[in-house]
Amino acid sequence: QVQLQESGPGLVKPSGTLSLTCVISSDSITIGDIGNWWAWVRQPPGKGLEWIGEISHSGNTNYNPSLKSRVTISIDKSKNQFSLKLKSVTAADTAVYYCATAGAWKLDPWGQGILVTVSS
Amino acid sequence: QSALTQPPSASGSPGQSVTISCTGTSNDVGGHNYVSWYQHHPGKAPKLLIYKVNVRPSGVPDRFSGSKSGNTASLTVSGLQAEDEGDYYCNSYAGTYWLFGGGTKLTVL
Repeated sequence: QVQLQESGPGLVKPSGTLSLTCVISSDSITIGDIGNWWAWVRQPPGKGLEWIGEISHSGNTNYNPSLKSRVTISIDKSKNQFSLKLKSVTAADTAVYYCATAGAWKLDPWGQGILVTVSS
Repeated sequence: QSALTQPPSASGSPGQSVTISCTGTSNDVGGHNYVSWYQHHPGKAPKLLIYKVNVRPSGVPDRFSGSKSGNTASLTVSGLQAEDEGDYYCNSYAGTYWLFGGGTKLTVL
């Protein structure tokens, strides 16, 4: 059973940097296991899901082309967690942010999500 | 890159079948057999229903099935039940990134 939990500030000022962490809890899987990828997805209020990016067990990354210039996803094997940084945020970045396990061509399981509001 | 195209809404009565389409291009849906479907209820984590076009994870009822033809993937929900009401999203690999559909709100009448 793998569980993921997002954490981070719920309020970020415009032009600032959004920083979130996803901790993985599991008896059988560690973030460094070969074959596993880890992803971030968001959902703005009243809108659909948007894939942000993913990182492999070894640190290789893929990003949504529309966000690529502002996004960094990193991995911390010692803490079994991975992180999202999104810089130069605006109100359009207000969303529920989800982390998910992205191995084997699917997103499963997901964290419960965290609402991040961009406002002064 | 644009989001995959899904109908905004779909509906059916209990016991009926409903099919939700997901249209992309030859660069995503049509070019890869990596289409997945997720059910999302407000305030909850999305739930995986189908992956690799038509593979159903353990624990997902066989009422849910997936298929693909050309640039369009489809999710069929058979024997509709009240708890099937919610939002449904398709997701496709597009080479170096992933695309979601705009979502379909399924209403059980």
